[in-house]
Amino acid sequence: TAGITQAPTSQILAAGRSMTLRCTQDMRHNAMYWYRQDLGLGLRLIHYSNTAGTTGKGEVPDGYSVSRANTDDFPLTLASAVPSQTSVYFCASSDSRANTGELFFGEGSRLTVL
Amino acid sequence: GQNIDQPTEMTATEGAIVQINCTYQTSGFNGLFWYQQHAGEAPTFLSYNVLDGLEEKGRFSSFLSRSKGYSYLLLKELQMKDSASYLCAVEDSNYQLIWGAGTKLIIKP
Repeated sequence: TAGITQAPTSQILAAGRSMTLRCTQDMRHNAMYWYRQDLGLGLRLIHYSNTAGTTGKGEVPDGYSVSRANTDDFPLTLASAVPSQTSVYFCASSDSRANTGELFFGEGSRLTVL
Repeated sequence: GQNIDQPTEMTATEGAIVQINCTYQTSGFNGLFWYQQHAGEAPTFLSYNVLDGLEEKGRFSSFLSRSKGYSYLLLKELQMKDSASYLCAVEDSNYQLIWGAGTKLIIKP
């Protein structure tokens, strides 16, 4: 069972370069999310999508963009990377019809911006 | 502002019981989640509380008091594999999740 898949697993990127983190889920969940996780801080929401064709800004959206062309894919793009975007990025999905709203996470993408 | 507080780190002994506390101040409340995250891995769902009281699931239990803005995760019969970070998250009135920084639990033999 694949669940939710992220790529790449890790990446080193020069400042100023662009990068797209890929996220695909096979659970037909309507909602998808991108979080970043930094040491000593809670997960912070970057962008989210409640359904295909719609996206919204989270707590820390600046410097990131997303698209949701279909149910399964939710890529995150850094247009011009900066060192403060060094982090571990997690994609997640949920079925808003479920009682608990449980999030299912991908394995994470570790990004280092130099 | 919205805030979730949990201890940074705790240590416990294999076979023992440990309680991880979480206090929260949020704009509204629509539920509280606990997730487990092993080092270098993704968070995985443990429990969900929306009403006051104790929810038991095997060796793990989660308690909620909405009036006190307080929850705890209770782990019994600790095993070495329980060494992980435990994340508390609250869903606010806008159905957005607010996350604590996590509690790193170290289990010693």
